[in-house]
Amino acid sequence: QKEVEQNSGPLSVPEGAIASLNCTYSDRVSQSFFWYRQYSGKSPELIMSIYSNGDKEDGRFTAQLNKASQYVSLLIRDSQPSDSATYLCAVNPTNTDKLIFGTGTRLQVFP
Amino acid sequence: EPEVTQTPSHQVTQMGQEVILRCVPISNHLYFYWYRQILGQKVEFLVSFYNNEISEKSEIFDDQFSVERPDGSNFTLKIRSTKLEDSAMYFCASSDLAGRFGNEQFFGPGTRLTVL
Repeated sequence: QKEVEQNSGPLSVPEGAIASLNCTYSDRVSQSFFWYRQYSGKSPELIMSIYSNGDKEDGRFTAQLNKASQYVSLLIRDSQPSDSATYLCAVNPTNTDKLIFGTGTRLQVFP
Repeated sequence: EPEVTQTPSHQVTQMGQEVILRCVPISNHLYFYWYRQILGQKVEFLVSFYNNEISEKSEIFDDQFSVERPDGSNFTLKIRSTKLEDSAMYFCASSDLAGRFGNEQFFGPGTRLTVL
């Protein structure tokens, strides 16, 4: 059974700090990894995708991938109260169409 | 900016009734998906659809479920005889990738299905 694991949180950070969200996955040969943001009662919103080992930056967001450790993370710099949401890690295993989601980490950014 | 749309936003039905959830994927996308999220739980894959046929389905997607692309824009999920445990948010998603690598999927706003 392919799994994606995340700490459910909540992760509380002050405004302006760096929030670090982590995810591990069990399928060693997975190639595509995604971070989605989900506000309460809303649908998942794609914020980052990463396919290669290393870092990928987009604005205040940096995704990090380490395939050897089967680990993917998301850093949010200069966190804002509007970043308060649940962050979902999703993995697309090789030779499938589907995304497998973790349970999500709830982030709270306080002023 | 193109987006996936879904109707209705909320559907209430009696157990045993049939429901049809509707989606309009992003217009140039080729791959379509349905996911569901039971309240407080993770998002779960139901089915993927490409070139007018199911390409993959999960264990959840049993004979009570079916999908269809009745025209060039709509993509539907039908549940033939709803059960209480079908109550969930149902999300449609689409992707433009002609292949599976780098499969960025964009989600619609969801339909909240309540089975009484």
